[in-house]
Amino acid sequence: QVQLKESGPGLVQPSQTLSLTCTVSGFSLTSNSVHWVRQPPGKGLEWMGGIWGDGSTDYNSALKSRLSISRDTSKSQVFLKMNSLQTDDTAIYFCTRDYGYKTNWFAYWGQGTLVTVSS
Amino acid sequence: DIQMTQSPTSLAASVGESVTITCLASEDIYGSLVWYQQKPGKSPQLLIYGATILEDGIPSRFSGSGSDTQYSLKINSLQPEDFASYYCQNGLSTPYTFGAGTKLELK
Repeated sequence: QVQLKESGPGLVQPSQTLSLTCTVSGFSLTSNSVHWVRQPPGKGLEWMGGIWGDGSTDYNSALKSRLSISRDTSKSQVFLKMNSLQTDDTAIYFCTRDYGYKTNWFAYWGQGTLVTVSS
Repeated sequence: DIQMTQSPTSLAASVGESVTITCLASEDIYGSLVWYQQKPGKSPQLLIYGATILEDGIPSRFSGSGSDTQYSLKINSLQPEDFASYYCQNGLSTPYTFGAGTKLELK
């Protein structure tokens, strides 16, 4: 079955770079898109960006200058890198997969990983 | 970017009641509206896509409607497991913006 699991540091210092990994199973990264969505504690959801089956990427314009999403298809992993972190980047970070080919909604979600930005 | 305005922010209801949550897009999204349910400490769960299509396994007491810029999620005969937060999402184009959410609480 389709599974996604986020991993990475739980604590990042201000101004540092966040690196997260989403390890997937049950589907191919060349067939489906994978996206990153974050949720500050007690707040709503924010789409950060995604990587499509053909390897193309798109980002939320509010984060574009700081964000990079890439993948390793041989390892079934998608990576998020975001630099210049500030305290308002504290959030649960989810990776999520599209519903199906060329769909723009998210049917499969990881459990999320809490990232705290603090010195 | 397409802005999604969701209302109400919170809603209190009793088991057995029906409730409606609305989502207004800043421009026509041609029916590309998605609804999610999120329970505390859990990931969002897909409920409805294409404004009206119920995801497999979602109870029929959930229904979606709307077109152009105005959309609604209706929950009939509320069950205890329905008390959660609900989010709409623009599924037309990136950035895939979400509404701010509606927290449905037990009265």
